[in-house]
Amino acid sequence: NAGVTQTPKFQVLKTGQSMTLQCAQDMNHEYMSWYRQDPGMGLRLIHYSVGAGITDQGEVPNGYNVSRSTTEDFPLRLLSAAPSQTSVYFCASSYSRGNYGYTFGSGTRLTVV
Amino acid sequence: AQSVTQLDSHVSVSEGTPVLLRCNYSSSYSPSLFWYVQHPNKGLQLLLKYTSAATLVKGINGFEAEFKKSETSFHLTKPSAHMSDAAEYFCVVRVNTPLVFGKGTRLSVIA
Repeated sequence: NAGVTQTPKFQVLKTGQSMTLQCAQDMNHEYMSWYRQDPGMGLRLIHYSVGAGITDQGEVPNGYNVSRSTTEDFPLRLLSAAPSQTSVYFCASSYSRGNYGYTFGSGTRLTVV
Repeated sequence: AQSVTQLDSHVSVSEGTPVLLRCNYSSSYSPSLFWYVQHPNKGLQLLLKYTSAATLVKGINGFEAEFKKSETSFHLTKPSAHMSDAAEYFCVVRVNTPLVFGKGTRLSVIA
């Protein structure tokens, strides 16, 4: 099925560990983004990409890295996990032209202990 | 820079009564505006979008929103609430690339 696929759905990390959240889309969308959702905060932008090889920081980029080597994939790396990074993470993608909404993945629930 | 303010963090209505979720936006350019819904422990689903074609926008499940430029508002309405409407609703603005989210309004529907 066409859409945005995130893996894993759940993850528990120890403080200081690193990991990569995977995101893939098969809609040939140019734009991809990572958001984190925390209670009462809405969704906040971590990093985004307007195409392969191009990324930029969002509102809350510290502690996270991204790269975009292909149009389809946009992984999010946690360099050294901290309890403050406990959150639900959403990947989203969109066409670049026109006023489209984004298509969201189902989310990754991350707990850092 | 653009921003979104959802004026109520929680709205509670009785089943069968109207729903009003309020949203004000700020943008230097003509924005695209969206409403997303998130049911408990689920992902986000697009309810409707405004892209300058018409100021009254109809979405899924009987929801509507009206774009009022003079008031910089994009309020979401539904004539009659259903139990299945209980969820978190997000007003979102887009100018160019990333989406900017409001903090959300939790809608409770009382039987």
